[in-house]
Amino acid sequence: GAVVSQHPSRVICKSGTSVKIECRSLDFQATTMFWYRQFPKKSLMLMATSNEGSKATYEQGVEKDKFLINHASLTLSTLTVTSAHPEDSSFYICSASSLAGDNNEQFFGPGTRLTVL
Amino acid sequence: AQSVAQPEDQVNVAEGNPLTVKCTYSVSGNPYLFWYVQYPNRGLQFLLKYITGDNLVKGSYGFEAEFNKSQTSFHLKKPSALVSDSALYFCAVRDIYSGGYQKVTFGTGTKLQVIP
Repeated sequence: GAVVSQHPSRVICKSGTSVKIECRSLDFQATTMFWYRQFPKKSLMLMATSNEGSKATYEQGVEKDKFLINHASLTLSTLTVTSAHPEDSSFYICSASSLAGDNNEQFFGPGTRLTVL
Repeated sequence: AQSVAQPEDQVNVAEGNPLTVKCTYSVSGNPYLFWYVQYPNRGLQFLLKYITGDNLVKGSYGFEAEFNKSQTSFHLKKPSALVSDSALYFCAVRDIYSGGYQKVTFGTGTKLQVIP
């Protein structure tokens, strides 16, 4: 199956700093990438959907200026958590989808654990 | 709006016994249904999916799921549980909108504990 990677896998930062998380599709071109947030013992919450070369579509309640998403190429999307605070600590998971192939199936990355001190 | 319900927060089963993890769904059109497994501090791993065809879908690691349209259910099953199956399981439904935009809605997850 298709492989999606995330970097870093784990990051610890001080409050007020910005953190960038990368999501890469390694062996296919991802026309659409999705960013999810998962709280402890909770389900995944879709934050935004990004299509290559266009602005991301954010879900209701997600701050666009707080969570900056860039999808500059068909293999890379980035999520930047700006001015991070402890309440932003969470597990962030990306997924990628290609218009080609099996009914637009999503492939998930391994996740990034963000801890804001 | 589409939705998925996993009524059990946790399922405990003895090793070697059959297991069932329940899922019901609500969609406006044809359902595209998925099961994923998540191990601690890991991303989601795809187990199986139903789009069309046979109601009994076979997936990875010996898991299968039965699509039941009349009951709007998609329960995950395995004939004989292993301790290594202990993990968090998510049911999901996908809807595809005009222009190819898609959205996957996840259930709240069910923790499976297989007891040796």
